[in-house]
Amino acid sequence: AQSVTQPDIHITVSEGASLELRCNYSYGATPYLFWYVQSPGQGLQLLLKYFSGDTLVQGIKGFEAEFKRSQSSFNLRKPSVHWSDAAEYFCAVGASGGGADGLTFGKGTHLIIQP
Amino acid sequence: GAVVSQHPSWVICKSGTSVKIECRSLDFQATTMFWYRQFPKQSLMLMATSNEGSKATYEQGVEKDKFLINHASLTLSTLTVTSAHPEDSSFYICSARVPLAGVGEQYFGPGTRLTVT
Repeated sequence: AQSVTQPDIHITVSEGASLELRCNYSYGATPYLFWYVQSPGQGLQLLLKYFSGDTLVQGIKGFEAEFKRSQSSFNLRKPSVHWSDAAEYFCAVGASGGGADGLTFGKGTHLIIQP
Repeated sequence: GAVVSQHPSWVICKSGTSVKIECRSLDFQATTMFWYRQFPKQSLMLMATSNEGSKATYEQGVEKDKFLINHASLTLSTLTVTSAHPEDSSFYICSARVPLAGVGEQYFGPGTRLTVT
């Protein structure tokens, strides 16, 4: 069975500083990996996804993530955070690319932005 | 873009009663919808996969007689929590798969917070 680990429950970053959120996955086949952001009162929004090709993927809002098969990781990065980035971030893995299966989520990382 | 709505956004009910939560795809037809449950400070846990016109597929450990799912049309799936108890209090989130969209593309509703007293 697949699983996702987000080791950091909370992360505090100063506005303008760089950000890296960690994600490790366990899956026997080629993983389909996703990062979502959840803000209060909003549905989960897809930031980016990886399923093949270039291991560095670009997403919305200036986010990027790098897939490292050898480390089973898919860390999310942003060079300069904004106060509006404060939210809950979830890493997820899907069993198929067609979206026919539900996703397995990590427990999330709560991002706090200091002024 | 693809929009998924949920109704109600928040509901309080008494123990023993049933509650229905609706999930609608507003600007696309969704043959497949998913229902997740999220406990406070926890991850989203997949409960079931809902396919239009057929029976839902439930994840291991999810009571299908307690969490009734109906996907009667291409834009609506409902989750009914029957004989609700306080331990059913949670945040319920649905998502819908956009046909022919990119790999794994699912759009999520804003969620429904259920409190059972």
